[in-house]
Amino acid sequence: EAGVAQSPRYKIIEKRQSVAFWCNPISGHATLYWYQQILGQGPKLLIQFQNNGVVDDSQLPKDRFSAERLKGVDSTLKIQPAKLEDSAVYLCASSFAGGQGNTGELFFGEGSRLTVL
Amino acid sequence: KNQVEQSPQSLIILEGKNCTLQCNYTVSPFSNLRWYKQDTGRGPVSLTIMTFSENTKSNGRYTATLDADTKQSSLHITASQLSDSASYICVVKSGNTPLVFGKGTRLSVIA
Repeated sequence: EAGVAQSPRYKIIEKRQSVAFWCNPISGHATLYWYQQILGQGPKLLIQFQNNGVVDDSQLPKDRFSAERLKGVDSTLKIQPAKLEDSAVYLCASSFAGGQGNTGELFFGEGSRLTVL
Repeated sequence: KNQVEQSPQSLIILEGKNCTLQCNYTVSPFSNLRWYKQDTGRGPVSLTIMTFSENTKSNGRYTATLDADTKQSSLHITASQLSDSASYICVVKSGNTPLVFGKGTRLSVIA
């Protein structure tokens, strides 16, 4: 079974530039999550989708971050303009059902490491 | 405030030795607790899940314990191997609210 796919794996940009990350969840997984993981910290939820609807985006900095999951499968996370403090690993995860709402296990991708100079 | 605290922050042990990682939580109500292993440069992978009624659960050389009264969990690794070097993250679920992640314990196993 193919896992959660993310790209790019690494990205280096200058502050005020924009960047986009892509995620393809495990086939059949209705719920998709984007997490931000700063070095030495645990993952922090940015946004949760159930199919193509947003369930929770309370911690998404909406002035600069946006995410979409138009067809209920792939998702894109965009940052514009980037700040130095956005340097982190952006992890995408998926679960069969609402992992946040049941005992469902989260399956993570390998992450996209962003460095903002 | 729902929080998960892990200790130690980092740990270095010799190959073949045992170690125990700790997780204390203040999450309420409690639904379940998972331990994830995160290899460097990779995403976290679930090792085990503990529910309220479970005290101990093993997965190979990994044994997790849960004390729901004191709100503590531990992950014991037996006969450590170099491949056990990773971050171990404790994650607690509380009802339908977002999962609460600990900061992780960074384990280094050296030859």
